[in-house]
Amino acid sequence: AQSVTQLDSQVPVFEEAPVELRCNYSSSVSVYLFWYVQYPNQGLQLLLKYLSGSTLVKGINGFEAEFNKSQTSFHLRKPSVHISDTAEYFCAVTTSGTYKYIFGTGTRLKVLA
Amino acid sequence: DAGITQSPRHKVTETGTPVTLRCHQTENHRYMYWYRQDPGHGLRLIHYSYGVKDTDKGEVSDGYSVSRSKTEDFLLTLESATSSQTSVYFCAISTDRGASGANVLTFGAGSRLTVL
Repeated sequence: AQSVTQLDSQVPVFEEAPVELRCNYSSSVSVYLFWYVQYPNQGLQLLLKYLSGSTLVKGINGFEAEFNKSQTSFHLRKPSVHISDTAEYFCAVTTSGTYKYIFGTGTRLKVLA
Repeated sequence: DAGITQSPRHKVTETGTPVTLRCHQTENHRYMYWYRQDPGHGLRLIHYSYGVKDTDKGEVSDGYSVSRSKTEDFLLTLESATSSQTSVYFCAISTDRGASGANVLTFGAGSRLTVL
């Protein structure tokens, strides 16, 4: 069975600083990985996804993530954050042959002025 | 916009009462899901459906039942609500698998349920 671990429950960062949100997964088979963002009082929106191919994936709003199979990680990065990036970010995994998506516990990103 | 509507958006009920949450989609997607979101737990899968009358359990299915009598509607029922079921419930849909072999989930706006 797959699992996802988001190591940081909260990450405060100053505006225009870089940020990395960490995600590690566990699976015995090949995985598909996703990052979703949830703004206050809203549903989840897809930020980016890794399905296959290039391990560096670019998403919306200037975010990118790198799939590292040897470290079983899929960390999310942004070189310069804005106040509007304040939200909760969820990492998720699924595998070929299943329709279940497993989510991490989320990381609250708070961007400070 | 994937055309997902959840109802009701907010509900307050008492322990022991039945509650039904509805998820309605307008795009004829095959797969539908119910998740609950709780602080410190992220999103946990309750039940999912892979077609009309085809459903399966997720991680936290105890105390919940689902029904899907037509493609566009996926109902989540709490037969006898408990305070531990106070949560925000999200419906999601995914398209059929493409060449990549994986789908993307699209979420509704959520239903906030409070059980007193």
